[in-house]
Amino acid sequence: GQNIDQPTEMTATEGAIVQINCTYQTSGFNGLFWYQQHAGEAPTFLSYNVLDGLEEKGRFSSFLSRSKGYSYLLLKELQMKDSASYLCAAGGATNKLIFGTGTLLAVQP
Amino acid sequence: EAQVTQNPRYLITVTGKKLTVTCSQNMNHEYMSWYRQDPGLGLRQIYYSMNVEVTDKGDVPEGYKVSRKEKRNFPLILESPSPNQTSLYFCASRTLRDSYNEQFFGPGTRLTVL
Repeated sequence: GQNIDQPTEMTATEGAIVQINCTYQTSGFNGLFWYQQHAGEAPTFLSYNVLDGLEEKGRFSSFLSRSKGYSYLLLKELQMKDSASYLCAAGGATNKLIFGTGTLLAVQP
Repeated sequence: EAQVTQNPRYLITVTGKKLTVTCSQNMNHEYMSWYRQDPGLGLRQIYYSMNVEVTDKGDVPEGYKVSRKEKRNFPLILESPSPNQTSLYFCASRTLRDSYNEQFFGPGTRLTVL
């Protein structure tokens, strides 16, 4: 079957580092996406991994292990505006994106 | 500006009254898709289209229809809305011309069916 698992909620402190994990099972895997979504707004693209390893983009990094069906999103130097839901999505067969239910991150002062 | 637009942004309607949510993209994307988002369930795909006149069911197509007569437009039709279709709806599009398949999302339509 096809499935994405990620934690429901996380809390972190401003200025700290947080890692959001995601495990996935899809048929015909062709990439792992992370999106950020503020309440009531559209998801916005953060990162894309198709090969194993770490992709760094400013304060955000994303890691992929295809053999383990595992990814994480790393957020450094957390800011209050980073409080949002973070959606893990795996590209599968028929050009489909399978989304996880999202991890709600609360950044506290 | 490259974008996906949806209208209306907010809609309150009653059971059984047909409605259409429009979606348009200006990026010449082949692929368009509709999602609904409900608390605790994440984004679920309703229908998608890989080109003009080509549409396919996603994971939750019951109660919905779509059409793709032009490349830029992909309206979502609810012939007889019911309260369980109260949700936040997103249209999305992307190119199929390469393997980098980032989806661009519209701003969302919050639908309430009474």
